[in-house]
Amino acid sequence: EVQLVESGGGLVQPGRSLRLSCAASGFTFDDYAMHWVRQAPGKGLEWVSGISWNSGSIGYADSVKGRFTISRDNAKNSLYLQMNSLRAEDTALYYCAKDGCSGGSCYPKYYYYYGMDVWGQGTTVTVSS
Amino acid sequence: EIVLTQSPGTLSLSPGERATLSCRASQSVSSSYLAWYQQKPGQAPRLLIYGASSRATGIPDRFSGSGSGTDFTLTISRLEPEDFAVYYCQQYGSSPLMYTFGQGTKLEIK
Repeated sequence: EVQLVESGGGLVQPGRSLRLSCAASGFTFDDYAMHWVRQAPGKGLEWVSGISWNSGSIGYADSVKGRFTISRDNAKNSLYLQMNSLRAEDTALYYCAKDGCSGGSCYPKYYYYYGMDVWGQGTTVTVSS
Repeated sequence: EIVLTQSPGTLSLSPGERATLSCRASQSVSSSYLAWYQQKPGQAPRLLIYGASSRATGIPDRFSGSGSGTDFTLTISRLEPEDFAVYYCQQYGSSPLMYTFGQGTKLEIK
């Protein structure tokens, strides 16, 4: 079964740091780019960051650039998000998502975008004093 | 930066009816780069449509996508009780790199 399981969320004070993890199983992890997407309480979806299969290409939303760092360990089938200088507006449910494209012409320059086809259940980050 | 505007914000329909959800882009988007997702309360989003009109694996054929340029549509031909949820469109852009979501349409039971 294809599965993504996030962990590492919690309550943290503004300005502090947190590291999220996402454990992947049921597919060849290093064939696919991966993403973090967040959802503030009662709000819509916001893409946070993406990373190519080999970590060679990384992208961030402007809202987190310079504060968040995405990384992956293909040997451990794991994706990470290091979040520094956290703000109240970073409070959200953070999802790990698998990119649907494999092979050439994928993230970050798709010939064809296959969407984010597998999602975890999310881990909650609350930034509050 | 491309903005996706979904309409209506809320759509109230009955099971068995046809649902038509709109996603309008602030500038032209390649149909190859447009996806739709379904999200039920307390659940993660689920990919429905990619490439504007291709159904994802396991998605029933009552779901269909269409459109091009700035106007895209998700149609549910005959609503089942499990279809009542929030639907998001999403586009990929390469310059700058961005995956933009619409604000969502809530499909509720009338």
